[in-house]
Amino acid sequence: GENVEQHPSTLSVQEGDSAVIKCTYSDSASNYFPWYKQELGKRPQLIIDIRSNVGEKKDQRIAVTLNKTAKHFSLHITETQPEDSAVYFCAPKGGRGSTLGRLYFGRGTQLTVWP
Amino acid sequence: ETGVTQTPRHLVMGMTNKKSLKCEQHLGHNAMYWYKQSAKKPLELMFVYSLEERVENNSVPSRFSPECPNSSHLFLHLHTLQPEDSALYLCASSQMIQATAGEKLFFGSGTQLSVL
Repeated sequence: GENVEQHPSTLSVQEGDSAVIKCTYSDSASNYFPWYKQELGKRPQLIIDIRSNVGEKKDQRIAVTLNKTAKHFSLHITETQPEDSAVYFCAPKGGRGSTLGRLYFGRGTQLTVWP
Repeated sequence: ETGVTQTPRHLVMGMTNKKSLKCEQHLGHNAMYWYKQSAKKPLELMFVYSLEERVENNSVPSRFSPECPNSSHLFLHLHTLQPEDSALYLCASSQMIQATAGEKLFFGSGTQLSVL
């Protein structure tokens, strides 16, 4: 299966600063790269995703960049706010054969934004 | 609410009990999933049902038995569980276009299971 690594595992930033979380994967045929946010005690929710034919995607304060050659993609959050505090998961999808449901979740990054 | 409802929210059971987790989606999706979330491991896919296919993670023990009577309902039947099965069990749904594509998962709030 896909080998997924997320770095860092914890990240603390001051409100207003930027945060970057990196996800590396092993399957060169992976074709879908989402990020999920899970606040404490709540369900994971998709916040942004990118497909392999696009290098970057932005949605207000969040962006995702993809480097398929190096097999990694990153989540960028600018002007962080305390409500951005959560665990963030990357979940690249393998592209080989029938990969029904094959989102391989990383271990998560705990982001804490201090006011 | 995202349209995916799970019951019960919390469950405590002994190792000899039999219980079932229920999931219902109101989004008109064609695929449903069970995930296990425990503190020391990544989100782990257990089972997937779509209109034409069922996929299971071969590492899931047979004491977990899924049932999907229709595209809106999903159950996870539990029997003779072990303490290490204590975790948050999350249901999710998606609108699958093709098996090789990726799509957004909508998660339920989960069932926090404790096995004594």
